[in-house]
Amino acid sequence: DAKTTQPPSMDCAEGRAANLPCNHSTISGNEYVYWYRQIHSQGPQYIIHGLKNNETNEMASLIITEDRKSSTLILPHATLRDTAVYYCIGGAAGNKLTFGGGTRVLVKP
Amino acid sequence: GAVVSQHPSRVICKSGTSVKIECRSLDFQATTMFWYRQFPKQSLMLMATSNEGSKATYEQGVEKDKFLINHASLTLSTLTVTSAHPEDSSFYICSARDHRGPQETQYFGPGTRLLVL
Repeated sequence: DAKTTQPPSMDCAEGRAANLPCNHSTISGNEYVYWYRQIHSQGPQYIIHGLKNNETNEMASLIITEDRKSSTLILPHATLRDTAVYYCIGGAAGNKLTFGGGTRVLVKP
Repeated sequence: GAVVSQHPSRVICKSGTSVKIECRSLDFQATTMFWYRQFPKQSLMLMATSNEGSKATYEQGVEKDKFLINHASLTLSTLTVTSAHPEDSSFYICSARDHRGPQETQYFGPGTRLLVL
C-alpha cells in the first residue's frame, strides 16, 4: 500500500467548503486513492475514491494532481455532522486497506 | 448502497470466556471480508483477511488461535475471541469487499465494542 501523509487536524467553518489534503508521493500506477471518514464510535464510512481523474459524488469531490502525488478531498458545504476523522488511503483495488492517523476535522458553527 | 452489519454492537464478558462477533453483508455477496481492531484514540489496525471457503490470513503479531475467523458463506464472517482477557477489550470492526464494481470498494460495519472484565 502507498504511504499517505495527512495533517493531524484542521478546523472548518460550517457552510464553507472544507479542503482536506493528502500526500501520496509513492503511490503506484495501479493504486487508487480512497477516502473514508469515521465519526466517533462508528465504523468508517466510504466517501469516494479515484485513480487518475477527478471524481465527484453526492458526498464530496476528489481532486488528484496530474502526477498523482497528492490529492484533495473537498466537502462543498461543511455541516456540523461532517465532524469526523478523515482517512486517505492508497491501495490496489480490492486489497486490504492500511489506515494511517487521518485528519481530525472539526466543523465549527 | 452496500450495507454491512455487525452483531452484537457491544458485549461485556468475563475474563476467560469466548465471544463471537458476526459480520454480514446485507445486500451483496462478499468473498473477502476484513477484520480490524481499534483501541481508544488510535487508528484502525488490520487483524486478518477472511476468505470464503478457505483459511483466514492473519497479520503479523495477531494470534490465529486466539482470534478464530470463519467465513462459511458469501454473506457472513465470524470472529471469535477465545479466552478473552481485559487487554482484548477494544472496538472490533469488519469490512466487506463489494465485487460488483471494478474497484471492489470496501464497506465497513458499525463496529462491536468488547469489554472484558
